[in-house]
Amino acid sequence: QAVVTQEPSLTVSPRGTVTLTCGSSTGAVTSGHFPYWFQQKPGQAPKTLIYDTSNKHSWTPARFSGSLLGGKAALTLSGAQPEDEADYYCLLSYSGAWVFGGGTKLTVL
Amino acid sequence: QVQLVESGGGVVQPGRSLRLSCAASGFTFSSYGMHWVRQAPGKGLEWVAIIWYDGNNKYYADSLKGRFTISRDNSKDTLYLQMNSLRVEDTAVYYCVRRSYFDHWGQGTLVTVSS
Repeated sequence: QAVVTQEPSLTVSPRGTVTLTCGSSTGAVTSGHFPYWFQQKPGQAPKTLIYDTSNKHSWTPARFSGSLLGGKAALTLSGAQPEDEADYYCLLSYSGAWVFGGGTKLTVL
Repeated sequence: QVQLVESGGGVVQPGRSLRLSCAASGFTFSSYGMHWVRQAPGKGLEWVAIIWYDGNNKYYADSLKGRFTISRDNSKDTLYLQMNSLRVEDTAVYYCVRRSYFDHWGQGTLVTVSS
């Protein structure tokens, strides 16, 4: 089974910009992996932010965007807010099955 | 509104079995594929399994194949996860999730495997 890798932790200043990445042990991440990004705050169920690389749900704040960058999936937060402090997970598809990354703990400080 | 309510969690001894249920409402359940996702205490998310809308296709995490079985009853708007030969490391909150871009998650049910 593939291994999906994320930065364990990142810190961003309020109103700053940060990019989280998501890599695959099988090679470059492509649109065919249908990358997802989820946000999870303590004690809550995860919430989907981005699907299929760059698409947003109606509830996704505009400051979040998804892309492919250097062979990885990327989640960029532009203009970080205190409420963006959370765990972020990426998810990739592998021929019908799915694999989560280990998650990135994002601190806004 | 879309609601997914998991049930069936609890404390179970290693080696025993447990069946989780997820009751769906607020949408046409038979039109949507469904996932199970789990999260061990203090750990990250782990995808468990998916079943297509009609039950004809199922995929599992490699580490769980052979022990867990996903199924559904569209007449009852209910998703199931049969878990056999449970291990301590299966202790987790189990979420059911609608396949439609993972747009709706239940609140989860806690399974604790302990002697």
